[in-house]
Amino acid sequence: EVQLVESGGGLVQPGGSLSLSCVASGFTFSSYSMTWVRQAPGKGLEWLSYISISSAIIYYADSAKGRFIVSRDNAKNSLYLQMNSLRVEDTAVYYCVRDEDFYDSSGSVGDAFDIWGQGTLVTVSS
Amino acid sequence: DIQLTQSPSFLSASVGDRVTITCRASQGIKSYLAWYQQKPGKAPNLLIYAASTLHSGVPSRFSGSGSGTEFTLTISSLQPEDFATYYCQQLNSYPRTFGPGTKVDIK
Repeated sequence: EVQLVESGGGLVQPGGSLSLSCVASGFTFSSYSMTWVRQAPGKGLEWLSYISISSAIIYYADSAKGRFIVSRDNAKNSLYLQMNSLRVEDTAVYYCVRDEDFYDSSGSVGDAFDIWGQGTLVTVSS
Repeated sequence: DIQLTQSPSFLSASVGDRVTITCRASQGIKSYLAWYQQKPGKAPNLLIYAASTLHSGVPSRFSGSGSGTEFTLTISSLQPEDFATYYCQQLNSYPRTFGPGTKVDIK
C-alpha cells in the first residue's frame, strides 16, 4: 500500500522548534519530488515547501522562508521539516505530500499532489 | 504570486443535483490546475489534474474544464459521499497556491 506517515507534531511554545518526519512506503520514494502542506484549524490549505528528488531544488512559501528547512533522506525513505522560531499562527495540521508528474501521449501535462499523509498536528501556544 | 478565487464559497445542494464550482486565477496558468476533495478530519484527495484529467479511481460524475484563468469543477449528479470541501490549486509556478475552498453541504 502506498503510504506516507508523518510524526513529530505536538505542543511547543512560541519561539520554539519542532522537527517533523514523514516515512514513505509502497513506492520508490527516491523517484518523487515531495512537498509539505499545512492547514490551520478550520482554514484552507497552504503550500509550504517543495524538495526535488535529489534535494537540488528547494522552494519555500514566504511564511516558511528563513524559519523552516526541508530535507530528505532517500536511503531512509524519509522527508523532514525542521521548524524554528515558531509562531502561534504556525498552529496547523502538517501534511507530507507526494508530487507526481503526469504525462499523456503528447508528453508532460504537469504535476499534482496525489498521495497525502494523514497529517500531524502542531500546536504553538504558551 | 498567483492568487486563486473560488465561487461560491458555500453551496447547499441535494442528492442528484448538478453542481458547478468555479476557480479563477489572477494570471494565466495554462492548464496547470488541480482539484482536490477534502472531508472533515481527513487529508485531501486528488480528483482532477491538468484542469480536466480525472485521477485514477475518481468517479466519472466528476469533470473539470477550463484553461488560462477560468476553470470549473462539475459534479454531474451529487452523491451522499460528495458532501465535502473542494479546493483548486495552481501548479504553473511557485508558490503552489490553493483556492480558499468551496464547501458543499446537504440541502
